[in-house]
Amino acid sequence: AQSVTQLDSQVPVFEEAPVELRCNYSSSVSVYLFWYVQYPNQGLQLLLKYLSGSTLVKGINGFEAEFNKSQTSFHLRKPSVHISDTAEYFCAVMVGASGSRLTFGEGTQLTVNP
Amino acid sequence: NAGVTQTPKFRVLKTGQSMTLLCAQDMNHEYMYWYRQDPGMGLRLIHYSVGEGTTAKGEVPDGYNVSRLKKQNFLLGLESAAPSQTSVYFCASSYSIGGPAADNSPLHFGNGTRLTVT
Repeated sequence: AQSVTQLDSQVPVFEEAPVELRCNYSSSVSVYLFWYVQYPNQGLQLLLKYLSGSTLVKGINGFEAEFNKSQTSFHLRKPSVHISDTAEYFCAVMVGASGSRLTFGEGTQLTVNP
Repeated sequence: NAGVTQTPKFRVLKTGQSMTLLCAQDMNHEYMYWYRQDPGMGLRLIHYSVGEGTTAKGEVPDGYNVSRLKKQNFLLGLESAAPSQTSVYFCASSYSIGGPAADNSPLHFGNGTRLTVT
């Protein structure tokens, strides 16, 4: 069975600083990888996804992530964060044959301070 | 286009009471899901459905039942609520196995139901 580990539960940063949110997964077969963002009192919204092709994936709001198969990682990055990026971020994995069922990581709370 | 709508938004139950959470989607999605979200544990799948009239167990199905009598609705029931079921419940929907390649997102989420069991 696949699993997802988000290495940091809380990441505080200052506005305009770069940020990296780390995600590792375990699966012996090919996977699809996703990052979702959750703002307070809302559901989850898709930031970006990796299905195949280029290992560097660009998403909304200036975020990008890099798929590293040898390290089984899919870290999320942004070169300069804004206050409005404060939210909880979830990494998720879907095994190709699992019919759209996602397994989520524990979440990382990103707090951007002025 | 409302997307995925969950009712109610908030509910407080006493131990042993029952209730039903309703999820409705207007995107003609085949798959529907119920997740619970607890601090430090991410989202865990309770039950899901791959089509009208079908349901299946997820990671944490105990204490819950579901029904999918109509394609657009997915109901989550708690027959005898327990404090351990205090959580935020999210419904989601998606296309079938071709979802990630055919859709902008494999899952469309509702805004959640915050349930407290005392």
